[in-house]
Amino acid sequence: AQSVTQLGSHVSVSEGALVLLRCNYSSSVPPYLFWYVQYPNQGLQLLLKYTSAATLVKGINGFEAEFKKSETSFHLTKPSAHMSDAAEYFCAVTSNSGGYQKVTFGTGTKLQVIP
Amino acid sequence: NAGVTQTPKFRVLKTGQSMTLLCAQDMNHEYMYWYRQDPGMGLRLIHYSVGEGTTAKGEVPDGYNVSRLKKQNFLLGLESAAPSQTSVYFCASSYSILGTARETQYFGPGTRLLVL
Repeated sequence: AQSVTQLGSHVSVSEGALVLLRCNYSSSVPPYLFWYVQYPNQGLQLLLKYTSAATLVKGINGFEAEFKKSETSFHLTKPSAHMSDAAEYFCAVTSNSGGYQKVTFGTGTKLQVIP
Repeated sequence: NAGVTQTPKFRVLKTGQSMTLLCAQDMNHEYMYWYRQDPGMGLRLIHYSVGEGTTAKGEVPDGYNVSRLKKQNFLLGLESAAPSQTSVYFCASSYSILGTARETQYFGPGTRLLVL
């Protein structure tokens, strides 16, 4: 079984401050991990993904995430928050287990950026 | 390229009514998915398709049916709508199979469904 836990349903940061969104996962097979962003009234857009090539993954809009197997974490960071980063962020894990296309999303973290 | 499109954008149904949500993609993707998004629950996979003419159940398939008669279209049907099916429905497609390094899902803008 696999699962994703996102700590904090709401996170507020000041413009220019560090953004840290937490994601922990569990998976019985090597996972592929993703971060998606959802702007209001829109679908999800891929920010970045971990596919075992490198533990530090860089994505769009200045975001990056580091895969830490020992901590089963895949936290999303951005050095300096911008107003346009205000959105909801979802962590997801996928695995191909016995032919069943299993994907599990976290419950999401809404990021508020304060001017 | 339009990417992934969904129709309708919003719909109100009465309990017991039926409807079909249409998803279309112009990226020649083999794989297509239907999710529902509910507050505090993230996205949950309803059904998916690994190619034209094939469908499979996801995490929450009860009360829904799907069809993939054409590669570019994936239909989600509700035969007898219930208030518990009030949700936002997202369609997605991908080039490769979930759980592989090449996989990236592309999402549509969503359909908001209210069942009274």
